[in-house]
Amino acid sequence: QSALTQPASVSGSPGQSITISCTGTSSDVGTYNLVSWYQQHPGKAPKLMIYEVSKRPSGVSNRFSGSKSGNTASLTISGLQAEDEADYYCCSYAGSSTLVFGGGTKLTAL
Amino acid sequence: EVQLVQSGAEVKKPGESLKISCKGSGYNFTTYWISWVRQMPGKGLEWMGRIDPSDSYTYSSPSFQGHVSISADKSISTAYLQWSSLEASDTAMYYCARQGAAGTFLDYWGQGTLVTVSS
Repeated sequence: QSALTQPASVSGSPGQSITISCTGTSSDVGTYNLVSWYQQHPGKAPKLMIYEVSKRPSGVSNRFSGSKSGNTASLTISGLQAEDEADYYCCSYAGSSTLVFGGGTKLTAL
Repeated sequence: EVQLVQSGAEVKKPGESLKISCKGSGYNFTTYWISWVRQMPGKGLEWMGRIDPSDSYTYSSPSFQGHVSISADKSISTAYLQWSSLEASDTAMYYCARQGAAGTFLDYWGQGTLVTVSS
């Protein structure tokens, strides 16, 4: 399994919307509607933000949304806030009980 | 409250063995798989493998097969990650995480265990 492809970095100004892409293959993202997204602040454990492409766990702000088209999934953060500055990782189910992560994207709030 | 509490940081020499732990509480430990995730210094997350605590069936990513082993003791709600011979390249933060419904996402994470391997 190869890692999913994410941009290394994205940035946006407070209040703006940003989108992080996550490109896989027909063996993972393209076949399964089972993409999840994780937020990781420096020195902290990752936190689940989106699961099953577009579902939000209880307690996660509705400013976070997910979508998928073909082999590419996307995470959109609307109304960007300073506290959103973190690393974001996508993850896809890849069959046979396996998971594969993306390389991660560093979000900078300008 | 669901919690995964991991054992403390370790400093080891190359060739030494190590077993780190992840204790679950606040839920039925045998109902959800536990995954292990590696994060090397300054790098991204890598899924290593998972265990079903109800029967200890494991599956490891090909990238980690043969180098680490995953086990669990359901009587004390604890999962383990073990090395028989550490290498310097094993230096990393290791996280355990609970796999949510159908095992397709990681809904609760431990705080991480930092393993440093240096001569």
